[in-house]
Amino acid sequence: EIVLTQSPGTLSLSPGERATLSCRASQTVSSDYFAWYQQKPGQAPRVLIYGASHRATGVPDRFSGSGSGTDFTLTITRLEPEDFAVYYCHQHGLSFTFGPGTRLDIK
Amino acid sequence: QVTLTESGPALMNPTQTLTLTCSFSGFSLSTRGMCVSWIRQSPGKALEWLALIDWDDDKFYSPSLKTRLTISKDTSRNEVVLRMTNMGPGDTATYFCARNQQICANNACYRLFDHWGQGTPITVSA
Repeated sequence: EIVLTQSPGTLSLSPGERATLSCRASQTVSSDYFAWYQQKPGQAPRVLIYGASHRATGVPDRFSGSGSGTDFTLTITRLEPEDFAVYYCHQHGLSFTFGPGTRLDIK
Repeated sequence: QVTLTESGPALMNPTQTLTLTCSFSGFSLSTRGMCVSWIRQSPGKALEWLALIDWDDDKFYSPSLKTRLTISKDTSRNEVVLRMTNMGPGDTATYFCARNQQICANNACYRLFDHWGQGTPITVSA
């Protein structure tokens, strides 16, 4: 099973700042099989990025994904109040696994 | 408009078998490339993928829970059912169903959970 590790566990930033979230896989994952999800309290997750770098429909362009192999990054430029949430990385190259999440808090 | 709605017993006793139903609309599970998954989330914890069934009735399970899970579909009723045996307190969680769709562009194909239900909370307690 591929294990995903996310860092940091919690990130405290202010609106307008830039957020960089990391995800590391225990073995190589094809970029085609890597995604990022956002979850707000009491809600189901929402897909942000698929194929490592492709924004899903309706996702603002301040969200971007990058990376390959075992290291992937989600970047949010100019944080908006609605961006404070938990972010999960996800792979489906070998079975399906999610990372433990990064909580993005308002500073 | 795609919608998915989970239903289940809310409260159950240890050792019982859980039966969850995902009722969906706005798509057909007989369409090539279409899949539905079950994913759970224990209170304050991360997402855990459980099972997936595809348009061709192929089934895939979490390796750690495989012996306890059975997923099935009724295409005519637009339903996917998950059964989990021998429930225990550690299975207390919100259970989500989600559509897993394939998107192809620029000679590459990708999969994503693009629509989710709101989840149904299941508590296992004596």
